[in-house]
Amino acid sequence: GESVGLHLPTLSVQEGDNSIINCAYSNSASDYFIWYKQESGKGPQFIIDIRSNMDKRQGQRVTVLLNKTVKHLSLQIAATQPGDSAVYFCAASDTGRRALTFGSGTRLQVQP
Amino acid sequence: EAQVTQNPRYLITVTGKKLTVTCSQNMNHEYMSWYRQDPGLGLRQIYYSMNVEVTDKGDVPEGYKVSRKEKRNFPLILESPSPNQTSLYFCASRLKLGSNEQFFGPGTRLTVL
Repeated sequence: GESVGLHLPTLSVQEGDNSIINCAYSNSASDYFIWYKQESGKGPQFIIDIRSNMDKRQGQRVTVLLNKTVKHLSLQIAATQPGDSAVYFCAASDTGRRALTFGSGTRLQVQP
Repeated sequence: EAQVTQNPRYLITVTGKKLTVTCSQNMNHEYMSWYRQDPGLGLRQIYYSMNVEVTDKGDVPEGYKVSRKEKRNFPLILESPSPNQTSLYFCASRLKLGSNEQFFGPGTRLTVL
């Protein structure tokens, strides 16, 4: 089955810097990759997704990059703000998008 | 307000005492699912439902049951809870199978003694 893992359990950045959160996956047949943000005491919140036939997708202050050759994706957050402090999960969607497999999460800490 | 609600938010129970965690969404979503979240393991899918009366097992279904009699509700049933089911549970919904934007409830923290 699919496995998804994140590279670092914790990432600490200064306010205003750019953040890069990395994720690796195992199943080349995954259809979509999705990033979620989970703030303390809340459920995960959808940030952005990218289809497996794309290399890059941009949203508001966020960019997701997909490298299928090495089965790696990353979430870049521009000008990181204190409100970005949260745990970030990547998830892979199986073919047919019936189920999502989540990674273990990276905690982003934004230092003032 | 569009949302997914879960009840109860916190529950402490004892081994073997049947319990139900309710989940309801007001967005007319077809697809609903249950996850459990454990430290270091991320979110793991327990069960999902693609529509009324259509349910299927996720990655960790053992010890759980679900039902989908109405579109808006997707209760999670633990017939005989055990301590290894102590976890944080999330219900989620999305518009349909092909949608990636999934909306999560606030979570239910369950402790089984």
